[in-house]
Parts: sequence; structure tokens; C-alpha cells
Amino acid sequence: ETGVTQSPTHLIKTRGQQVTLRCSSQSGHNTVSWYQQALGQGPQFIFQYYREEENGRGNFPPRFSGLQFPNYSSELNVNALELDDSALYLCASTSGPYGYTFGSGTRLTVV
Amino acid sequence: QKEVEQDPGPLSVPEGAIVSLNCTYSNSAFQYFMWYRQYSRKGPELLMYTYSSGNKEDGRFTAQVDKSSKYISLFIRDSQPSDSATYLCAMSPGSFQGAQKLVFGQGTRLTINP
Repeated sequence: ETGVTQSPTHLIKTRGQQVTLRCSSQSGHNTVSWYQQALGQGPQFIFQYYREEENGRGNFPPRFSGLQFPNYSSELNVNALELDDSALYLCASTSGPYGYTFGSGTRLTVV
Repeated sequence: QKEVEQDPGPLSVPEGAIVSLNCTYSNSAFQYFMWYRQYSRKGPELLMYTYSSGNKEDGRFTAQVDKSSKYISLFIRDSQPSDSATYLCAMSPGSFQGAQKLVFGQGTRLTINP
């Protein structure tokens, strides 16, 4: 199967709750990154995983955490949700410096 | 100051026009430059990529990078209504196997009017 698949597509959570977002990488891609895209803004880098290890992180607090599994699928976990966490969360996978393939994202709304 | 600046528009042009989209950046370490297209409710789709300075053409699309001016451009010839989308520039210092982080511009919303 080609392409990056994210689930769920939409999610509504209450402030203070925890959320887990999931991503299946494109076949052959061993690197996965997560981005947060607020409305009307460009995506912001959260972190990157390479072969199950985090190897880069953006300016996001520790309550944003992740995992990459042996099959290169990935999870993004956010604890203690805040209203400002409402955004489109994008997963991207790659096997090189170009060719980042993005999923369609998970739209998270925190109320 | 943001690392990457992009005019958010919106930009509206008639069908068939030549469209010019631009970004400026401040980090001289950027070596890989990309343009993504994002339709509503979808993830970004890679359109063009270039390494270092120079031009690259792919069909109706031309990407230009001027590292001396820290300025990149995307030109769309013979624009079509299907080109209506948000266009995002992105760049990276290119340290693959390290923190291969893409830094995006804000995105320009483009509408091509039939």
C-alpha cells in the first residue's frame, strides 16, 4: 500500500484530556515526522523518528510525545490538552532528504 | 523574525495567467528547497524540490532558488482552475539521519478564476 494514512480524521476532546493520533508510513520509509498546522499557518515541526528513536524535536513542550514502531508506523500523544492545541496534525514519512509524503492529517478540536 | 517569510495572499488571477509565488528566508544553512501544494482538508503534496541555487522546470511549474539573496520562487504558467490551492514553501538544512526538519512558510492561498 502506498501513501501515508492517518487516523482518526477528526477528533473532539475536552481541555485536560489526553489524545493519541496514529500514522502508517509509506512503504519503504523509515523516517517519520509530525507537524502541527494551525488554521491559516504553515506546518510547524513537532518531532522526527528514525528507526524507532527520536532524533529531532521542535519547540513543543514534553506533553507532546511520540513512538515509532518496528513496522515504521507511529503515534503522537498529547497530554493535558489545551485550547491552543486545536489544529491539523500531519504525519510525514520519507526515505531521503526530499520526497516527504504527508498524510491528510487529523483535525483535533479542543473544547 | 520568522525563519521563512511568505506572503499569505490571498492571490486571485484569471485562468491562463502566469503566477509568481515567493518566499524569503534568513537561515543561510538551508540547502534543500521545496514547494508543496495543499488543497482544502488535505495534507501538503510535494510539487517541486531543488538543492542549493538554480532553476528547475517541471511542466508548467518552474522553481528558482537564489541563495545569495535568500529568495525562492515558484512560477506557474498557463494557470488552471485546478491549480487553486494553498502553496507552501519549505526548506531544510538537509542533515538527513539527524534532525531533518522542514521549515515552512505561512502559505499563499491562490485562486484561478475561469
